[in-house]
Amino acid sequence: GAGVSQTPSNKVTEKGKYVELRCDPISGHTALYWYRQSLGQGPEFLIYFQGTGAADDSGLPNDRFFAVRPEGSVSTLKIQRTERGDSAVYLCASSPGQGVVETQYFGPGTRLLVL
Amino acid sequence: AQSVTQLGSHVSVSEGALVLLRCNYSSSVPPYLFWYVQYPNQGLQLLLKYTSAATLVKGINGFEAEFKKSETSFHLTKPSAHMSDAAEYFCAVMKAAGNKLTFGGGTRVLVKP
Repeated sequence: GAGVSQTPSNKVTEKGKYVELRCDPISGHTALYWYRQSLGQGPEFLIYFQGTGAADDSGLPNDRFFAVRPEGSVSTLKIQRTERGDSAVYLCASSPGQGVVETQYFGPGTRLLVL
Repeated sequence: AQSVTQLGSHVSVSEGALVLLRCNYSSSVPPYLFWYVQYPNQGLQLLLKYTSAATLVKGINGFEAEFKKSETSFHLTKPSAHMSDAAEYFCAVMKAAGNKLTFGGGTRVLVKP
């Protein structure tokens, strides 16, 4: 079946611009996660959705970052006034959302470059 | 706060040799533990996970890991490396009452013919 998909695969923007990154989870998965992976580092948690609501947004670095999941499926990560330090690979993952220790299935990521 | 330490950012092994990737965690309560693999330009793929059942966990592609509470370790091994094992490997923890993964810095494996 189809896995987690993310669009675009690559995004180049200029400092100060606004960007949106999209994640399509595996069909039927109610849990959705965003992570950020900087060069040479492991992924870092940003936010976790259960259904339409953000159950844990403790990883969002500041108020320039915002994520939504209005219908409980597709999610969009929004970054305002981008900075060069935002350059990273943004990973999305999903899981069924009904178990205790669920496997998170990752998408290929969106590589964001802020010039 | 939980943390994960992977010793060695790069490991080079010969084809057919043992692969050993080290992972230590810090947590006041034994967490759930995971190993993921990342091939170039692909998403993270789960190799195996420890969920407080058997301490020796077998995963895909011939990998296994052993949870040792006394050493707070969850090292990943494979008896015989294959060229296709060249990738980056990440150890991760999840606290018992949570859902987010905390990852180590990763270990890149190079397999020499």
